Amino acid sequence: EDKVVQSPLSLVVHEGDTVTLNCSYEVTNFRSLLWYKQEKKAPTFLFMLTSSGIEKKSGRLSSILDKKELFSILNITATQTGDSAVYLCATSMEYGNKLVFGAGTILRVKS
Amino acid sequence: NAGVTQTPKFQVLKTGQSMTLQCAQDMNHNSMYWYRQDPGMGLRLIYYSASEGTTDKGEVPNGYNVSRLNKREFSLRLESAAPSQTSVYFCASRVLAVQETQYFGPGTRLLVL
Repeated sequence: EDKVVQSPLSLVVHEGDTVTLNCSYEVTNFRSLLWYKQEKKAPTFLFMLTSSGIEKKSGRLSSILDKKELFSILNITATQTGDSAVYLCATSMEYGNKLVFGAGTILRVKS
Repeated sequence: NAGVTQTPKFQVLKTGQSMTLQCAQDMNHNSMYWYRQDPGMGLRLIYYSASEGTTDKGEVPNGYNVSRLNKREFSLRLESAAPSQTSVYFCASRVLAVQETQYFGPGTRLLVL
C-alpha cells in the first residue's frame, strides 16, 4: 500500500527560528513529490520535486528530495507568523492520476 | 479566471438526508478530484475523473457517488448521509500528463447530525 508519512505532526516555534519538516514515502512507481501549504482554506502549491539532490527554493522556503532514502525535507528560515499553516506532502506515481497525501505538519509560529 | 469553485461552502444535514456537492473549474483541466479532510488524516481521495466521461474510485469511496457532467463540472453525491461523513470536502483539478500540480477549491464544510 502506498504511504506518505510526515513528521513532526505539529510544532511551535518563535519568529525568526528555522524549521525543518520531514516527509518520507513508500510508493510504487514514484514520479514526483509535492509540497503544499494550507492556511484554513484550500491547499496552495509550494514545490514539486522530481530529482534527487536538487534544491528548490522560493524566498525563505526550500526543499530537497532524496530518492535513495525516500524522503524530502521542507526548510523554512527566519520564520514569520504568516508561515503558520498546515504543510502537506504528497507523491504522484508514474501510472495513474492520483496524489497520495501525508497527514500534514501543523506549524505555529509565535510572535 | 475563478479557478476551482465549490458550492455550498457549508452545509448541515441530518442522518439519512441526501445532498450533492458541486464543483466547477474554468482552467480547461482534464482531471478532477474529490477529497475529504479530517483532523490528523491529511487529504484522502474519494473519487476522481481522469477525463470527461470517466470516473474511478479513490481510497474512501463508500457512501459516495460522483458525476462528471462535462469537462468543467464534477459533482459528489451523498445518498444517505452518516455522521462519519462529517468532514471538509475539497475538489481539485489538474491538466493531464506532465503537470502534477493540483489546484484546489475553497472547500465545503459538511456537518452530519
